[in-house]
Amino acid sequence: AQTVTQSQPEMSVQEAETVTLSCTYDTSESDYYLFWYKQPPSRQMILVIRQEAYKQQNATENRFSVNFQKAAKSFSLKISDSQLGDAAMYFCAYRRGEYGNKLVFGAGTILRVKS
Amino acid sequence: GAVVSQHPSRVICKSGTSVKIECRSLDFQATTMFWYRQFPKQSLMLMATSNEGSKATYEQGVEKDKFLINHASLTLSTLTVTSAHPEDSSFYICSARLVLPRPGQGYGYTFGSGTRLTVV
Repeated sequence: AQTVTQSQPEMSVQEAETVTLSCTYDTSESDYYLFWYKQPPSRQMILVIRQEAYKQQNATENRFSVNFQKAAKSFSLKISDSQLGDAAMYFCAYRRGEYGNKLVFGAGTILRVKS
Repeated sequence: GAVVSQHPSRVICKSGTSVKIECRSLDFQATTMFWYRQFPKQSLMLMATSNEGSKATYEQGVEKDKFLINHASLTLSTLTVTSAHPEDSSFYICSARLVLPRPGQGYGYTFGSGTRLTVV
């Protein structure tokens, strides 16, 4: 069974600085997708970024980028120029294949942004 | 685009009563809907997967008779918590899988805004 591990229960970052959230996963599949979701205090789940396993290039979305290390099964999220609105719970998630169904979530990391 | 409307956002019910939570896909057809339960500061726990027109598939340990899921149409899935008890108090979230791929999302997912259930 696939598992997703987020080893940082909480992280803090100063406004305008950079923070990296860690995620490791375990799978025997070769075709899979990885996601980072943000859940702010409103509890609405928001897709931050996604990565296809077959792509070597790391995904980026504005201030958000990932460091995808396939051999190490590591998928970290870097948030640059942190803003107060980035404060939220962040979940790393895995899905088997493009046509797979279930998302497997990690335990989450609470990110606090200090002004 | 790809909005899932979830209602109610909050509900308080008495122990022993039943509560229905609705999730509607507003601008797309959702053939597959996922139902999650989330405790405070914890991850989302998948309860069941529902496919339009067929019986839901429940995760291990989830009581089928307590958490009734109906997905009778391509735009509506419901979760009914039957004979609710205080331990059923939680945050429930639905999520629909896109039928057609969208730029940047592929066959992504869109989430409802969640329902906070309190059983007193």
